[in-house]
Amino acid sequence: AQTVTQSQPEMSVQEAETVTLSCTYDTSESDYYLFWYKQPPSRQMILVIRQEAYKQQNATENRFSVNFQKAAKSFSLKISDSQLGDAAMYFCAYFARDDKIIFGKGTRLHILP
Amino acid sequence: DTGVSQDPRHKITKRGQNVTFRCDPISEHNRLYWYRQTLGQGPEFLTYFQNEAQLEKSRLLSDRFSAERPKGSFSTLEIQRTEQGDSAMYLCASSLGRRVYEQYFGPGTRLTVT
Repeated sequence: AQTVTQSQPEMSVQEAETVTLSCTYDTSESDYYLFWYKQPPSRQMILVIRQEAYKQQNATENRFSVNFQKAAKSFSLKISDSQLGDAAMYFCAYFARDDKIIFGKGTRLHILP
Repeated sequence: DTGVSQDPRHKITKRGQNVTFRCDPISEHNRLYWYRQTLGQGPEFLTYFQNEAQLEKSRLLSDRFSAERPKGSFSTLEIQRTEQGDSAMYLCASSLGRRVYEQYFGPGTRLTVT
């Protein structure tokens, strides 16, 4: 069965600094998608970034980038120039052909002014 | 294009009562998903529909839970004889068939069973 593991329950970063959130996953599939979702307090979940497993190039969305290591089954999220609005729960997630998203337990990110 | 909406946003009920939640997906999205999120955890898959057909149900979905999507548009999730362990956030998401991996989430319904 596929699993997603986030080993950092909470992290803090100074405003304007860079932070990296870690994620590992387990799967026997070769074709899948990986995501980072952001869930601000009392607000809905939004997609931050997506990575297709067949692409070697790491995905980037403005200040957000990933380090995708397929062989190691690792998928970390780097947030550059952290802003107060980045404070949220971040979920690493996996999707394959069985059509449902499997989420990790999340990392709560605090931004220190 | 409006997003996924859910109603109600909050529900407090007494143990043993029945509750029903509604989800309105993004128009033209033919897939609709229900997830449950308990405190401190990531969302867990419950069930999903393609149009009006319910294609998969998680073993988390006990026989007290039933979901419908009668006309392939909105969906309802009913919980009968609620228990305190049912307290959670119930999330709905929708996607378009050819991009099923791109799921858009609603704000959720927070259920508290007292």
